[in-house]
Formats: sequence, C-alpha cells, structure tokens
Amino acid sequence: NAGVTQTPKFQVLKTGQSMTLQCAQDMNHNSMYWYRQDPGMGLRLIYYSASEGTTDKGEVPNGYNVSRLNKREFSLRLESAAPSQTSVYFCASRSSTYLYSNQPQHFGDGTRLSIL
Amino acid sequence: QQPVQSPQAVILREGEDAVINCSSSKALYSVHWYRQKHGEAPIFLMILLKGGEQKGHDKISASFNEKKQQSSLYLTASQLSYSGTYFCGTPDGYGGATNKLIFGTGTLLAVQP
Repeated sequence: NAGVTQTPKFQVLKTGQSMTLQCAQDMNHNSMYWYRQDPGMGLRLIYYSASEGTTDKGEVPNGYNVSRLNKREFSLRLESAAPSQTSVYFCASRSSTYLYSNQPQHFGDGTRLSIL
Repeated sequence: QQPVQSPQAVILREGEDAVINCSSSKALYSVHWYRQKHGEAPIFLMILLKGGEQKGHDKISASFNEKKQQSSLYLTASQLSYSGTYFCGTPDGYGGATNKLIFGTGTLLAVQP
C-alpha cells in the first residue's frame, strides 16, 4: 500500500533555481494538499486542490505554483527558490471534498528542501 | 487563522496523564487531531464533529465544545510510544463549503521512562 508518495525525499538548491516537487496518491482521493513545516510554525497550507481541475491558495502561497495534473498527481513548483523556502514539504490527500465528513488526511513522508 | 494550542511542550513520566488544548477564534464545525514523530509524517488520530462528542482511541480520547470553540486531547497513562508532536486542525471556512484544513503550531509531548 503506497498511499501518498512524494519525490524527491531530499533536495539542495541554489538561490534562484527552479524545482518541482511531485506528489501522487493511489487511494482515489478527491482532495490533495501541500503544506510546509518549519520549526515552531506547525504545518502551514500552501495550496490545495479540492477536486481534479481545481486549485486554491492556502495560508502561504507566495513563491509557489501548483498543478493538479490528474486525480492522482499534484505537483508544487518553486520558480525561483529563495532561502526562506528552506523547509520540509508535506503532500496530503483526502477522500471527501468537504471537511464535515469524518475523513482523515493522509500524508506523504515529506521532502526536505534546503536552499543555499 | 491558525488555532492556538497549549501547552507548547510537556514532559511526562510513563503512566502520567496529559491534556492538550486547541482553541479557535472562529466557529468550529470539526476538529482533527494528528500525531507526528520526529522525522516522520503526521498520522491521523481522530476527528470530532460538531455536537460536543467525545471520542476515544485506546487511551487517547478527545472532547469538542463548539460553544467554547475548543477541543481537548486527553492522554491517559502515557506510554513511551505517545511521544511526538500533536497537532489539531480546524476547517478554515463557514459551513460545510470548505476544504481548507488549518493546523495549530503543535504541542511537543515527551514521555520519559
């Protein structure tokens, strides 16, 4: 059972470089999310996709773009990486479209990104 | 707006109890609880829906009081395996038409032998 798969697991970039973080889920979930986690800040929502074909901004979208390629895949792109984007990035997915239902979010193992 | 968790950190001995609180300045319709061990992904614990229900999972239970806009997670007779960071998540929107789950800053729980 793969669940939510993120690639790569680790990456080091130089300031100004671009990069795409990949996320795929095999649970036929409708909704997918990208979070970043920094010490003392918890999990902050960058972008999310309630269903295939839709994307919306979260709490901290500046400097990022996303693509919901199909129902399985949701990618996060850094066009011009900055040191402030050094973080651990988590992708998550969820079955239901609305948060009223008792469906949990399933997280990938994370991508540890360092920008020098 | 991020829910506020308290305390920020707690250290326990095995067998002791702990309570972690999660408060929101906005009306709550549901609260999610997750636990994350160091270097790992967050793992789902439970969801509480509007109605003041209390749920349990082994010796971990939670309550949800929508009038007070808060939820509490109760860890009873803590075990070493309970160590980690606990996050609450709340929907950011009104009614059911939202899919944004916003997490608190977390509570670090360390259980010592």
